[in-house]
Amino acid sequence: NAGVTQTPKFQVLKTGQSMTLQCAQDMNHNSMYWYRQDPGMGLRLIYYSASEGTTDKGEVPNGYNVSRLNKREFSLRLESAAPSQTSVYFCASTTEAYQVYEQYFGPGTRLTVT
Amino acid sequence: GQSLEQPSEVTAVEGAIVQINCTYQTSGFYGLSWYQQHDGGAPTFLSYNGLDGLEETGRFSSFLSRSDSYGYLLLQELQMKDSASYFCPLKGWRSTLTFGKGTMLLVSP
Repeated sequence: NAGVTQTPKFQVLKTGQSMTLQCAQDMNHNSMYWYRQDPGMGLRLIYYSASEGTTDKGEVPNGYNVSRLNKREFSLRLESAAPSQTSVYFCASTTEAYQVYEQYFGPGTRLTVT
Repeated sequence: GQSLEQPSEVTAVEGAIVQINCTYQTSGFYGLSWYQQHDGGAPTFLSYNGLDGLEETGRFSSFLSRSDSYGYLLLQELQMKDSASYFCPLKGWRSTLTFGKGTMLLVSP
C-alpha cells in the first residue's frame, strides 16, 4: 500500500515549456486534489475531483488543467509554464464517508520555472 | 471568502505543553482540521473538530468554538520531533481544505 505517489519529485522548466505532474493513489478514494505551496505559505487548492469523470476549480486554477484519468490517477498540466508557477505541488486524496476527515498527501513535486 | 490567522512562530521546551491558536472568518464550513508538516514534506493529519468542544488523540488535543470563530491545538509532553509547521485548514464542500500560513513550532532541549 503506497498511499499517494507523485512523479516527478523535482523538475526544472524554462518559461513557456509544458509538463504534466502525475498523481496516483491506491486507497480506492473517490476524491483527489491538487494544491500548491509557496515558500512560507500554506497550501492553496488548484483543482479537485470529487469522483471519476468530474473536476472543479479551486482557489488558484489559472494556468493549469487537470485530468481525472480513472479512479486512481489525477494529473495536473501546465501548458505554458511561468516563473510564478515555481512552487511545491502536493496531490491529496480522501473518501467522503461518515466520520472520515483525513486527507492523505503525496510527497510533493518541487517545480522551478526559470 | 475565507481567512485564517495563526501565530507565525511558537517556541517551547521539551516536555512542556504548548497551545497553537487559530482564528478564522468564513461564511460556512464543515469543520476545522489540524495538519503537521515537517520541513516542506507531506502534510499529515492530526485532528478534526466538526462540532464544538475538545477532541483528544494521544498527546494532541484540538478544540473548536464556532461562536467565537476560534480553535486551538494543544500539544502535551513536547518532543524534539514535534518541531514542525502546524496548519488549521477549514474543511469545506467536497472535503476541500482552505489553509492559512501556519505556525512554526520550535522545540528546544
